[in-house]
Amino acid sequence: DSGVTQTPKHLITATGQRVTLRCSPRSGDLSVYWYQQSLDQGLQFLIQYYNGEERAKGNILERFSAQQFPDLHSELNLSSLELGDSALYFCASSDGTLSSGNTIYFGEGSWLTVV
Amino acid sequence: AQSVAQPEDQVNVAEGNPLTVKCTYSVSGNPYLFWYVQYPNRGLQFLLKYITGDNLVKGSYGFEAEFNKSQTSFHLKKPSALVSDSALYFCAVRAVTGGFKTIFGAGTRLFVKA
Repeated sequence: DSGVTQTPKHLITATGQRVTLRCSPRSGDLSVYWYQQSLDQGLQFLIQYYNGEERAKGNILERFSAQQFPDLHSELNLSSLELGDSALYFCASSDGTLSSGNTIYFGEGSWLTVV
Repeated sequence: AQSVAQPEDQVNVAEGNPLTVKCTYSVSGNPYLFWYVQYPNRGLQFLLKYITGDNLVKGSYGFEAEFNKSQTSFHLKKPSALVSDSALYFCAVRAVTGGFKTIFGAGTRLFVKA
């Protein structure tokens, strides 16, 4: 158990809908990362937050947004869902300063199926 | 831009034999390098990382990796493979300076045959 908690574990929704994925980082970790894992795209970095502020952005679609709250939990919002958004979404967290070689610890993921 | 290449989609090895999973990277400046393992329907588990110092890094479950700066490689190795090592392995790189993204390779599926 990495200590990173993600909910829900599984989610099935229809095209055009909006969902919110939630993540609680490891106790004390200030950085939260979101990744998308799909069969054809591999593990894609979406976005990183550090202590409530966005710090790095990857291949995140405009239909997707995220935030990190004062209690350090994070949410990933996915809207106008398309079939191609079906994937496993990982949250990860790490401690330490942004420039250190700190390890990223992953949650178990949220399986999103868009039908 | 950072990138990671895992040239083999799949590696097959017999139990008891040594295994190597290859990784090469591209990054501006010095890298931080990581290996993770993913079992079916699970999250990624950290195995080991290279930050600085000794080029040979030892990690969990008997795995080790060797950082080779001239070849920009960070291959994962284990002297004697176990069937339970069968999983998906990811190499990742983060630039020491100039950005905070951690980029993962496409993954290499390891099959260890009894």
